[in-house]
Amino acid sequence: AQSVTQLGSHVSVSEGALVLLRCNYSSSVPPYLFWYVQYPNQGLQLLLKYTSAATLVKGINGFEAEFKKSETSFHLTKPSAHMSDAAEYFCAVSSYNQGGKLIFGQGTELSVKP
Amino acid sequence: NAGVTQTPKFQVLKTGQSMTLQCAQDMNHNSMYWYRQDPGMGLRLIYYSASEGTTDKGEVPNGYNVSRLNKREFSLRLESAAPSQTSVYFCASSEIVGGAEDGVFGPGTRLTVL
Repeated sequence: AQSVTQLGSHVSVSEGALVLLRCNYSSSVPPYLFWYVQYPNQGLQLLLKYTSAATLVKGINGFEAEFKKSETSFHLTKPSAHMSDAAEYFCAVSSYNQGGKLIFGQGTELSVKP
Repeated sequence: NAGVTQTPKFQVLKTGQSMTLQCAQDMNHNSMYWYRQDPGMGLRLIYYSASEGTTDKGEVPNGYNVSRLNKREFSLRLESAAPSQTSVYFCASSEIVGGAEDGVFGPGTRLTVL
C-alpha cells in the first residue's frame, strides 16, 4: 500500500523568504512522486514530478523538489516566495503497478505575507 | 484543445435526489478518474477507468456509480444523494505508459447536498 503525509496543513512565509513544504511517502515499490498546486476555486495543476531519473526535480514557477529515498521524503522548495504562490499544495504518490492512480496527501495551504 | 471539462460547475441537491456529473477529455487518454476533495483530506479516488469499457472502484466508491461512455467521456452518478457527499468532485485523465504520467485535472464540480 502507498500513502503520503504532508507535514503542516498551513504554512505562512513572508514575501522573498524560502518556501519549504514537507512531504513523506510510504511505498513498497519504487514510487513516482508528484507535487500539484491548486489556486482558489480552480483545479489541480502539476508543478513537478519524480519518475526515477534525477533526484532533484525542477518544476514550474521556480519550484523544485528532491527525492531522498533514505528519508522517504519529497519536500518542495522555492528560494524566494512571491505573493502569487499563495495556494494549496498537494503531494501525491503512484507507481508502475498503480495504473496511474494517485494517492494524495492532505494538502498544505501556503500563505505569503507582504 | 480544452483538456478535461466537467459539467455542471455547481450543484445543490436535496437528500435523496439523484444526479450525474459529466466529464469529457479531448487528449485521447486511455485512463480516466473521479476524485472527491474534502477539507483536510486531500483528494480521494472514487472510481477509475483504465480503458474504454472497464471501470474499477477506488478508495471511496460507496454511494456512487460510473459509466465510461466512450474513450472521451466518464460520468459519475449519485443515485440517492446524502449530505456526506457534499464535496468538490474532480475528474482527471492520463495516458498510462509505465504509470508515471501525471493526471490532467478538470476544474471541478462543487456539490452541496442539503
